[in-house]
Amino acid sequence: QQQVKQSPQSLIVQKGGISIINCAYENTAFDYFPWYQQFPGKGPALLIAIRPDVSEKKEGRFTISFNKSAKQFSLHIMDSQPGDSATYFCAASLQTGANNLFFGTGTRLTVIP
Amino acid sequence: NAGVTQTPKFQVLKTGQSMTLQCAQDMNHNSMYWYRQDPGMGLRLIYYSASEGTTDKGEVPNGYNVSRLNKREFSLRLESAAPSQTSVYFCASSEPGQGNIQYFGAGTRLSVL
Repeated sequence: QQQVKQSPQSLIVQKGGISIINCAYENTAFDYFPWYQQFPGKGPALLIAIRPDVSEKKEGRFTISFNKSAKQFSLHIMDSQPGDSATYFCAASLQTGANNLFFGTGTRLTVIP
Repeated sequence: NAGVTQTPKFQVLKTGQSMTLQCAQDMNHNSMYWYRQDPGMGLRLIYYSASEGTTDKGEVPNGYNVSRLNKREFSLRLESAAPSQTSVYFCASSEPGQGNIQYFGAGTRLSVL
């Protein structure tokens, strides 16, 4: 059973456009929601993360929007660039215990020039 | 400072063969993880080690064993490889209390024929 559901599976965006990836979770005990970025042949790397006490976090062109009541969070990439082309994974975890991450299934983003 | 190092990068096995995937981290992290990544499935946790001397099953442990050799090293063993274990394997490490950030290696691409 997938603890974190992610959509869309793939996304094609024009350069300069906005990329939006959505995730939903069921476990209300989750208290940490990171996004990881993975380039071909590489391991995932942390891009940005949010905790449920805030509704939005912005770092440069990347923004996480968090809706606690709906148990949803999303990644917005503003002014998308070809260099943003990668696979993006949302995840969720508990701060206690072993901090295991539960990953979404991934979104393959392609930004065309 | 190499971060998380995985060996080998590629491996081809025949059904029934055994092998060990090696992982080492130089960040003095207490927690280490093994994931497998399959198309459309995201990353799924196989085993984790919250601290030196402890290991626990993750979401998909069947067919695998692990050893936390010391604080730096965490190995994954396939005793009798099966085609269903064809996948890309990632090792990660983290330090509880440092923001739940997991740092990933570059992966091992394994094919079982």
